Amino acid sequence: GENVEQHPSTLSVQEGDSAVIKCTYSDSASNYFPWYKQELGKGPQLIIDIRSNVGEKKDQRIAVTLNKTAKHFSLHITETQPEDSAVYFCAASRGSARQLTFGSGTQLTVLP
Amino acid sequence: GAVVSQHPSRVICKSGTSVKIECRSLDFQATTMFWYRQFPKQSLMLMATSNEGSKATYEQGVEKDKFLINHASLTLSTLTVTSAHPEDSSFYICSARAGSGNTEAFFGQGTRLTVV
Repeated sequence: GENVEQHPSTLSVQEGDSAVIKCTYSDSASNYFPWYKQELGKGPQLIIDIRSNVGEKKDQRIAVTLNKTAKHFSLHITETQPEDSAVYFCAASRGSARQLTFGSGTQLTVLP
Repeated sequence: GAVVSQHPSRVICKSGTSVKIECRSLDFQATTMFWYRQFPKQSLMLMATSNEGSKATYEQGVEKDKFLINHASLTLSTLTVTSAHPEDSSFYICSARAGSGNTEAFFGQGTRLTVV
């Protein structure tokens, strides 16, 4: 089955700096890669996703890049703000079943 | 985005009793719903996948007789934890997907279950 690895497990940045979280996946047939933000005691919230037919997607301060050959994808957050502090999960899936395999999560702390 | 409502958000029950958690898609019809379990500071682990009108598909190691899943309509799925024990205490999260193919899944707000 699919295996998704995520790094780093914790990340602290100063407000205004950029944050990068990286994930690798094992199943070359995976074609959908969402990123979720989870705040304490809440369910995950989709913040951006990318499909395997594109290499990069951007939404304001958030961007995701995908390298299918290397089987890795990354989340980039620019101009970080304290409210960006949360746990971020990457995930991967393939086909129509949409069973997501999650990474282990990254605790992002943005220091004011 | 679409809204998935999960209820209750918190529940405390006595050991040996059963607890039902509801997951509703409020503004779309969910052909597939997923139930996850999350322990503190860990990732989400898929427990089962349910399609409306059919039996749920459980992941390896998940006891189907203990975690009863019902997906009777296109907007409601329920997870019942039967004969709960303290080790069942966890954060349970549902997600729902509309249609088939390349559509995203939306998550509920989660249910914190504490078994005492």
